[in-house]
Amino acid sequence: QKEVEQNSGPLSVPEGAIASLNCTYSDRGSQSFFWYRQYSGKSPELIMSIYSNGDKEDGRFTAQLNKASQYVSLLIRDSQPSDSATYLCAVKYTGRRALTFGSGTRLQVQP
Amino acid sequence: DAGVIQSPRHEVTEMGQEVTLRCKPISGHNSLFWYRQTMMRGLELLIYFNNNVPIDDSGMPEDRFSAKMPNASFSTLKIQPSEPRDSAVYFCASSTGSGTGGVTDTQYFGPGTRLTVL
Repeated sequence: QKEVEQNSGPLSVPEGAIASLNCTYSDRGSQSFFWYRQYSGKSPELIMSIYSNGDKEDGRFTAQLNKASQYVSLLIRDSQPSDSATYLCAVKYTGRRALTFGSGTRLQVQP
Repeated sequence: DAGVIQSPRHEVTEMGQEVTLRCKPISGHNSLFWYRQTMMRGLELLIYFNNNVPIDDSGMPEDRFSAKMPNASFSTLKIQPSEPRDSAVYFCASSTGSGTGGVTDTQYFGPGTRLTVL
């Protein structure tokens, strides 16, 4: 079974700190990787996508991909209380059009 | 541009009743996905369509669930008869979905329908 694993949290960080969210996946041939943010009672919204090894930065967000270790992470710099949400990792597995989602990590940023 | 549109936003019904959820994907997107989200099971893929054709319905929990996509701009998810364990938030998502990887795999979610079956 192809899976995406995330620590459910909650991950609690103080305001201004770096939040590090991690995700592992089981298919070495996976092609596309996504991070979605979901506020309570809302739908998932795309934050970052990454397709090749290395880092990809967008504002306060950095996605990191290591295909050899089957590991993708999301760093949030200068965390704000408004970043408090559940972060879902999603992977497109080889031969499958749909994305496979992890169960999400709940992030709490303490003012 | 309008995003994915879902209706109704909230639905409360009694056990045994038929429920129909509706979705309009983003214009130009040719892949459409139906998900169900609960606290216990997280986000589960129910079925997805490509070019209006169902590709994978292995996530549909049982025969009480059915989905259709009669044209590129409309899809329905029907539950008949509904049961209390069907209570969840149902999301529809769409993508350009060429299947070749990269940006075309990005899925955009609608606001969801919160279903409560009493």
